Amino acid sequence: DAGVTQSPTHLIKTRGQQVTLRCSPISGHKSVSWYQQVLGQGPQFIFQYYEKEERGRGNFPDRFSARQFPNYSSELNVNALLLGDSALYLCASSLGQGAASYTFGSGTRLTVV
Amino acid sequence: QQQVKQSPQSLIVQKGGISIINCAYENTAFDYFPWYQQFPGKGPALLIAIRPDVSEKKEGRFTISFNKSAKQFSLHIMDSQPGDSATYFCAASKEGSQGNLIFGKGTKLSVKP
Repeated sequence: DAGVTQSPTHLIKTRGQQVTLRCSPISGHKSVSWYQQVLGQGPQFIFQYYEKEERGRGNFPDRFSARQFPNYSSELNVNALLLGDSALYLCASSLGQGAASYTFGSGTRLTVV
Repeated sequence: QQQVKQSPQSLIVQKGGISIINCAYENTAFDYFPWYQQFPGKGPALLIAIRPDVSEKKEGRFTISFNKSAKQFSLHIMDSQPGDSATYFCAASKEGSQGNLIFGKGTKLSVKP
């Protein structure tokens, strides 16, 4: 059974550009959460989507947005990229809204130059 | 404000020894305390988790000790092996937080053969 899949695995963008990251949850999981992990730090919560609706938002600027599709896959969009957006972006899926059954993907490594 | 404080930042243990990582939290509303293991280039993987109604939980070589009055919890890895070398994160969340896990900054564990 496939785990959480994220694409692309690596990405290099220029300051000011926009980026879209993609996540496919485990089959049957209806919740997708996004986390940002800066090098040397723990992951930080960005968004949670459950049943295609935003259910939680972390302390990130409006340049960050996301959506969830009818098949429960999700996209994270970041506009007007800053050097500080360079990080590993992790997607986690779970059956319900709680964090207790999180399974993380391997992430997308975003480098902003 | 850092809600989950983790120590030490790094840890070197001999093969067969006991690795101990500590975390302290501030929010008494937290009711779920997981530990994650992360290898380079991979997403965090759930190791073991505890709820505040028990003081200890053991799964194989991994044990969580929980002290509700002190607002502290720790991970003990018995008979540490070189394959345990990874970064470990403690985390906490509260019911109704919409999947928002608050992570510590991580402990890099190296187990020497």
